[in-house]
Amino acid sequence: AQSVTQLDSQVPVFEEAPVELRCNYSSSVSVYLFWYVQYPNQGLQLLLKYLSGSTLVKGINGFEAEFNKSQTSFHLRKPSVHISDTAEYFCAVSGAGGYNKLIFGAGTRLAVHP
Amino acid sequence: NAGVTQTPKFRVLKTGQSMTLLCAQDMNHEYMYWYRQDPGMGLRLIHYSVGEGTTAKGEVPDGYNVSRLKKQNFLLGLESAAPSQTSVYFCASSYKRGADLYNEQFFGPGTRLTVL
Repeated sequence: AQSVTQLDSQVPVFEEAPVELRCNYSSSVSVYLFWYVQYPNQGLQLLLKYLSGSTLVKGINGFEAEFNKSQTSFHLRKPSVHISDTAEYFCAVSGAGGYNKLIFGAGTRLAVHP
Repeated sequence: NAGVTQTPKFRVLKTGQSMTLLCAQDMNHEYMYWYRQDPGMGLRLIHYSVGEGTTAKGEVPDGYNVSRLKKQNFLLGLESAAPSQTSVYFCASSYKRGADLYNEQFFGPGTRLTVL
């Protein structure tokens, strides 16, 4: 079975500052990893995904994440945030091979202040 | 392409009432899911379907039933609503690529349900 821990429930940051949202996972099998974003009163939208290959994954809106197998982490980063990045961010994991369910973390609320 | 749509967007029920939430997708996806989202708990899977006519239980299935009579639709039913079912409900769908489904899911806008 897989599980996901998002280490920060809220992250306040000033506009144009860098940000890192932390995600750790546990799994006994190979995994696929995802970051989703949820803007206020909307559904979830895929930011980026790691399936295989390069451990540095680039997504939409200038976000990137790095898969670290030894530390079982998949932290999300952006070098310079905008007010419009204010949203809730969810890390999710799925076991590789065949059909497996997507397991979500509890979410991190990113608040960007001017 | 509308993607994943949900009906209704908002609903208020009294304890004991029943209702059905409708999810529709126009992407010809094989797999569909119902989640509930509660503060501080992320999204929890209620039921899912791997194809027309098949459904399976997720993490929190009690108090809910589902049906997938058509490939594009996935219905979530509450037979006797309880205040603990107050939540935001999301539907999602995903496709199978070859023999390996890696579960990139596409989400609807959500239904906000309040049970008094």
